[in-house]
Amino acid sequence: GAVVSQHPSRVICKSGTSVKIECRSLDFQATTMFWYRQFPKQSLMLMATSNEGSKATYEQGVEKDKFLINHASLTLSTLTVTSAHPEDSSFYICSARHGSTGELFFGEGSRLTVL
Amino acid sequence: AQSVSQHNHHVILSEAASLELGCNYSYGGTVNLFWYVQYPGQHLQLLLKYFSGDPLVKGIKGFEAEFIKSKFSFNLRKPSVQWCDTAEYFCAVNAGNNDMRFGAGTRLTVKP
Repeated sequence: GAVVSQHPSRVICKSGTSVKIECRSLDFQATTMFWYRQFPKQSLMLMATSNEGSKATYEQGVEKDKFLINHASLTLSTLTVTSAHPEDSSFYICSARHGSTGELFFGEGSRLTVL
Repeated sequence: AQSVSQHNHHVILSEAASLELGCNYSYGGTVNLFWYVQYPGQHLQLLLKYFSGDPLVKGIKGFEAEFIKSKFSFNLRKPSVQWCDTAEYFCAVNAGNNDMRFGAGTRLTVKP
């Protein structure tokens, strides 16, 4: 199947710093990408939907100024956690919608730990 | 509010036992339904999906699911589980718009 790659897979940062997570569709074009957050022993919660070339649509309760999403090309979306705090520590997962089939493919996830 | 419910948080079975994981949703219109699996340390993988047609869907690794519209359910089944089926299973619903809503997940532990 199609491959979605996330980088980095693990990141540890100090409180107050910003962290960027990349999501790439390696062998297909993704007009839409999604960012999810997964807390321990809980389900994936949709944070935002990003469409190539336009502003991301954020879910209720998600701070757009804190979680900056950029979808500059059909194969890359980035999530930047600005001024990270310990409560932002979580597992972030992206998914990309295949431009032709509409199927969703998920990245491996990125575990963020904020000290 | 729209939601996806998975009734079992943790299921423990012995090898060769039969499996059924429940999934109910509360969307009123046309839906696309999915089951994903997340093996320890790995990313989400699609097990099977239902868009339309035969409500009994066959997936990979011997899994199947049945869409019962009247019950708003999409339960996952496998006749005989194996130790390697130990994983987290997520039901998801796409209501025709862009996003996907996930259930809380069910952890399956299969004892050898």
